[in-house]
Amino acid sequence: GAVVSQHPSRVICKSGTSVKIECRSLDFQATTMFWYRQFPKKSLMLMATSNEGSKATYEQGVEKDKFLINHASLTLSTLTVTSAHPEDSSFYICSARDGTGVSNSPLHFGNGTRLTVT
Amino acid sequence: LAKTTQPISMDSYEGQEVNITCSHNNIATNDYITWYQQFPSQGPRFIIQGYKTKVTNEVASLFIPADRKSSTLSLPRVSLSDTAVYYCLVGAGGATNKLIFGTGTLLAVQP
Repeated sequence: GAVVSQHPSRVICKSGTSVKIECRSLDFQATTMFWYRQFPKKSLMLMATSNEGSKATYEQGVEKDKFLINHASLTLSTLTVTSAHPEDSSFYICSARDGTGVSNSPLHFGNGTRLTVT
Repeated sequence: LAKTTQPISMDSYEGQEVNITCSHNNIATNDYITWYQQFPSQGPRFIIQGYKTKVTNEVASLFIPADRKSSTLSLPRVSLSDTAVYYCLVGAGGATNKLIFGTGTLLAVQP
């Protein structure tokens, strides 16, 4: 089945630095990937839609200059948290859907990245 | 995007059948219903998806009434390892269509 790989699974960084998170679709091409954020004991919150070869679409309230998204190929999207601060500490999860073939293929998720900003 | 409503939590015992119902009154004609399971510090895992009537796979069944305004995820004979948060999502299935998560249901299975 469709597999989405996310890296790293855990990262600790100092306040003011930037962190890049990678999301790869391993066995399918994904023209679109989605980035979510999840706080402890809360549901997933959609941050942005990553579009291959074009600009990402951000949800209301998400700073595009803070969370840079690049989707340079059909199998890779990256999320860079710039000038990270402790309040950016969270669980970031990417997802993608195999858009070829069946139109109702489900969304598949990576295993998430736990970001801790000290 | 259709909004979903689920119970915040449910309790069960090992070996029991668990049914989690999700309400989605404003589901659109081209929307599918998908259920996910999430363990702590992991990404959500796909369980089952359906459009209407009943769908069954090796882990669960999904019941959808004719009006499609609700759906019920049925987990047969749960075990302790089924303790997790279960999310019901409603949305169109195209590659570019986003899905919005609701609150989910925390299922706690006790021995």
